[in-house]
Amino acid sequence: NAGVTQTPKFRVLKTGQSMTLLCAQDMNHEYMYWYRQDPGMGLRLIHYSVGEGTTAKGEVPDGYNVSRLKKQNFLLGLESAAPSQTSVYFCASRRLPPGTGELFFGEGSRLTVL
Amino acid sequence: AQKVTQAQTEISVVEKEDVTLDCVYETRDTTYYLFWYKQPPSGELVFLIRRNSFDEQNEISGRYSWNFQKSTSSFNFTITASQVVDSAVYFCALSEANLNFNKFYFGSGTKLNVKP
Repeated sequence: NAGVTQTPKFRVLKTGQSMTLLCAQDMNHEYMYWYRQDPGMGLRLIHYSVGEGTTAKGEVPDGYNVSRLKKQNFLLGLESAAPSQTSVYFCASRRLPPGTGELFFGEGSRLTVL
Repeated sequence: AQKVTQAQTEISVVEKEDVTLDCVYETRDTTYYLFWYKQPPSGELVFLIRRNSFDEQNEISGRYSWNFQKSTSSFNFTITASQVVDSAVYFCALSEANLNFNKFYFGSGTKLNVKP
């Protein structure tokens, strides 16, 4: 069972470059999330989606865009990367009903912006 | 205000000691769920347990046990006879079934170091 898969696992960018992180889940989950994890900050929610075609902002959305064109995929984009976006990014999915189930996480994507 | 507080940033114990990780939460919802996740040095996030707000029974799974007390809004995690493999960052989390049900609130994590 693949579960939640993130690509790429590692990426180094220069300031101003753009990139997209892809999250794919094969569990038919409605809810998907993007978090970033920085030392001492825990997990902070960037954006989330409650279904295909819908997205919403989390705690720290600035500098990121997302899209959920297909139910199984949730893309996180950085249009103009900044060093402050150096972080580990986690994608997660969750089944319905909302508010009840646990999050299933991907393995994380480590992004370094120089 | 923080919905989930893990006041212990880092704990160090010697192998075979018991250790309790504290978690205090805040919610106005009548139905909610509490979770613990483990993040070992390899980095992945591993789900450990989920409890709903109507079930205050303590739970034990091997060397792990969880104490849920609504009166003090706490959901503490105890590892008995700790082992080096327990070294990890542990996150407590809250999800509300009615209010803000789309979101999942994490504490800042407690790093547990178990020394041989």
